[in-house]
Amino acid sequence: QKEVEQNSGPLSVPEGAIASLNCTYSDRGSQSFFWYRQYSGKSPELIMFIYSNGDKEDGRFTAQLNKASQYVSLLIRDSQPSDSATYLCAVKGPGGFKTIFGAGTRLFVKA
Amino acid sequence: DAGVTQSPTHLIKTRGQQVTLRCSPKSGHDTVSWYQQALGQGPQFIFQYYEEEERQRGNFPDRFSGHQFPNYSSELNVNALLLGDSALYLCASSLYTDSGNTIYFGEGSWLTVV
Repeated sequence: QKEVEQNSGPLSVPEGAIASLNCTYSDRGSQSFFWYRQYSGKSPELIMFIYSNGDKEDGRFTAQLNKASQYVSLLIRDSQPSDSATYLCAVKGPGGFKTIFGAGTRLFVKA
Repeated sequence: DAGVTQSPTHLIKTRGQQVTLRCSPKSGHDTVSWYQQALGQGPQFIFQYYEEEERQRGNFPDRFSGHQFPNYSSELNVNALLLGDSALYLCASSLYTDSGNTIYFGEGSWLTVV
């Protein structure tokens, strides 16, 4: 079982729709959860982090965390073509120093 | 506020050669992590440095080594290069006392081994 799993996609949504990206993790003791966006040929950039169960909103982005289900999601409202990128879910466990990444989900927003 | 800077941005090496990649962390950060990202995959953790010591290491052979300097900058060295070492090498910095350990990436170094 991979430590962080994501659907590789591609996920295709029309402009203005809500894009929903999902991630599961295997270490129940994980404490910090992150979403990064990576454009083709570029390095990952941090979108959001979440530590507590529930929702966290930042502009058009909402991160959702359910520790009991070991599930993290990212919702992008009013999707724009500029949101087309690979979205990486990342998790940091307790007592360790490394942040573990999933393989990413490719998102295409059609104009 | 200077972000994470890496050099060189692109390089081509021959199998068997050695390479050194460099990283300066974001201003105010004291911890550096290195990741390898192959095409179509997520970043894979190589190791992390804090206080000039390797704190944790991922599943990479001893051909991969690193160093952190007193000014918090870091180097990644790869010896006896293999074709499979071709990848984007990412440096990420963070603040050790940040309990969330949010990491911020540099632009990366693209390594091609031929």
